[in-house]
Amino acid sequence: AQKVTQAQTEISVVEKEDVTLDCVYETRDTTYYLFWYKQPPSGELVFLIRRNSFDEQNEISGRYSWNFQKSTSSFNFTITASQVVDSAVYFCALSAQGKANSKLTFGKGITLSVRP
Amino acid sequence: DAGVIQSPRHEVTEMGQEVTLRCKPISGHNSLFWYRQTMMRGLELLIYFNNNVPIDDSGMPEDRFSAKMPNASFSTLKIQPSEPRDSAVYFCASSLLRLEQFFGPGTRLTVL
Repeated sequence: AQKVTQAQTEISVVEKEDVTLDCVYETRDTTYYLFWYKQPPSGELVFLIRRNSFDEQNEISGRYSWNFQKSTSSFNFTITASQVVDSAVYFCALSAQGKANSKLTFGKGITLSVRP
Repeated sequence: DAGVIQSPRHEVTEMGQEVTLRCKPISGHNSLFWYRQTMMRGLELLIYFNNNVPIDDSGMPEDRFSAKMPNASFSTLKIQPSEPRDSAVYFCASSLLRLEQFFGPGTRLTVL
């Protein structure tokens, strides 16, 4: 069975603060993919990043960075110098490969509010 | 490039009526997914197709729900008869096998 836990439910920060969103996953598969999606107030789900289980390199994209640690089964997401436009619900998701499917298991989501 | 297209964007209906939600995946994608999102249950996978074939429908709530994918560019999710507890946002997503899913804008369904 697959499981994604996002223990933080709501986070509120002031603009320009750094914020880290936590994600812990469980899977018995040795090959899997991890994802982060953003859902702004408008409601659409926007893909942010995909990470393979065999690639533990951290990734940075502008103000966004991701820290993947297999030893702790975590895939955390940091926003540096947060902005009001970062306010959204952020979902972490897991897809176990090795089968010919790409079924995603989502966490409950973290609501991030960035205040001016 | 066109993303995933869903219609209608909003649907208000009365209990007992049939509801049909439509989805056009991104051209070239071979997997299609239907999700439901509610405050109580979050994002739930209802069913997904690979190459137009249903692979896993274990998330479909009950027999009132059915989904079809007659060809690579079109899918429907039907609820008959609808009930107030079906009120939710329904998302369609598509992907190229094993890669990230791209979501449509969703259909907000309200059953009175």
